[in-house]
Amino acid sequence: DVKVTQSSRYLVKRTGEKVFLECVQDMDHENMFWYRQDPGLGLRLIYFSYDVKMKEKGDIPEGYSVSREKKERFSLILESASTNQTSMYLCASSLSGGYTFGSGTRLTVV
Amino acid sequence: GENVEQHPSTLSVQEGDSAVIKCTYSDSASNYFPWYKQELGKGPQLIIDIRSNVGEKKDQRIAVTLNKTAKHFSLHITETQPEDSAVYFCAASLGNNNDMRFGAGTRLTVKP
Repeated sequence: DVKVTQSSRYLVKRTGEKVFLECVQDMDHENMFWYRQDPGLGLRLIYFSYDVKMKEKGDIPEGYSVSREKKERFSLILESASTNQTSMYLCASSLSGGYTFGSGTRLTVV
Repeated sequence: GENVEQHPSTLSVQEGDSAVIKCTYSDSASNYFPWYKQELGKGPQLIIDIRSNVGEKKDQRIAVTLNKTAKHFSLHITETQPEDSAVYFCAASLGNNNDMRFGAGTRLTVKP
């Protein structure tokens, strides 16, 4: 079964900290994505990558950056965490067609 | 860019009844429309999808219909069961796979 693994299910970080969210896929997919999920807003695209070392901004990239040094790994970085970045973060990958999502990381910034 | 609207935001049905969730999209060039089911504590899972060259697709109790002229598509679940209770998301994409946009989600509750 194909798999997208997010390293942490729950994280609590302090305001101003640098935060790394890690995502690994084992399907040799070209495309990887980071979304945040908030009640009533659905899934909003933060960044995506269609190849190693490539990245593209999504709809809400402000306050975030990403890194894709290897095909299987896509990291989301919060340079200086703020309370409005408290959310559920979902990583996904795809080859074509539908996405495969990880189980999510619930980040709380205090 | 693409904008997807989804209704209703919550839906409660009796076990055995049908449930319908509707979505509209803004970009007429969109040609791929997946539906995802998200259970508590899990990431969304693809349950059915449709491409713009067909009008309807069925998979057992689940069906999706697409009206390209009106730019809307719907998920139909028949003979609902308690395990169908979840949050459902629709999405639309131009098909190059890097631009999928999601609706806000529908929380479906199936009462036994």
